[in-house]
Amino acid sequence: DQQVKQNSPSLSVQEGRISILNCDYTNSMFDYFLWYKKYPAEGPTFLISISSIKDKNEDGRFTVFLNKSAKHLSLHIVPSQPGDSAVYFCAASAYTPQGGSEKLVFGKGTKLTVNP
Amino acid sequence: DTEVTQTPKHLVMGMTNKKSLKCEQHMGHRAMYWYKQKAKKPPELMFVYSYEKLSINESVPSRFSPECPNSSLLNLHLHALQPEDSALYLCASSQDRRRGRDVIYGYTFGSGTRLTVV
Repeated sequence: DQQVKQNSPSLSVQEGRISILNCDYTNSMFDYFLWYKKYPAEGPTFLISISSIKDKNEDGRFTVFLNKSAKHLSLHIVPSQPGDSAVYFCAASAYTPQGGSEKLVFGKGTKLTVNP
Repeated sequence: DTEVTQTPKHLVMGMTNKKSLKCEQHMGHRAMYWYKQKAKKPPELMFVYSYEKLSINESVPSRFSPECPNSSLLNLHLHALQPEDSALYLCASSQDRRRGRDVIYGYTFGSGTRLTVV
């Protein structure tokens, strides 16, 4: 059973427009959410994250929105640039009091293509 | 230093070989992880080390053997692998979130080792 879902395998937008990538989760114990960007054969690069006590976090062109009641989050990229073309993974974590480590659960990813 | 460094970047090994993947970070992170990623799939957790002790093994076959010599290093020893073990192996490290539960914290991945088993 997928706990983190990215239902759109791909998204194509024009340069300068807004890209909106969506993510849904089922586990109500998740309290931290992260977005990663990934190019083929490279490791995921951290973009932005949000704690469950917040509903919005912004960093430059990237904004993440969290709707806890709907168990939904979204990543907005404004304005989109061709260099943003990559696979974007949503990941979630549930804090556990022991050990200080956290297990990330990833969605399947959305391939974003920004056309010039 | 804000990076997780993995070596080698590429590795081709036979099914009877023994090899090791290495991972290093100097961010003071006390949790380190091995993930495996197959093509067009999300990363999947293999092992977690917390404060240099193995805390999670996600039912990984014994032909994969992790080792954490100190708080900055993480190894993955490989022996008698199968062709289906070919994948991108990712190392990650994270801060202890207890130190700042609501603070944006770091969970950083290395660039991975592309492993091919022939």
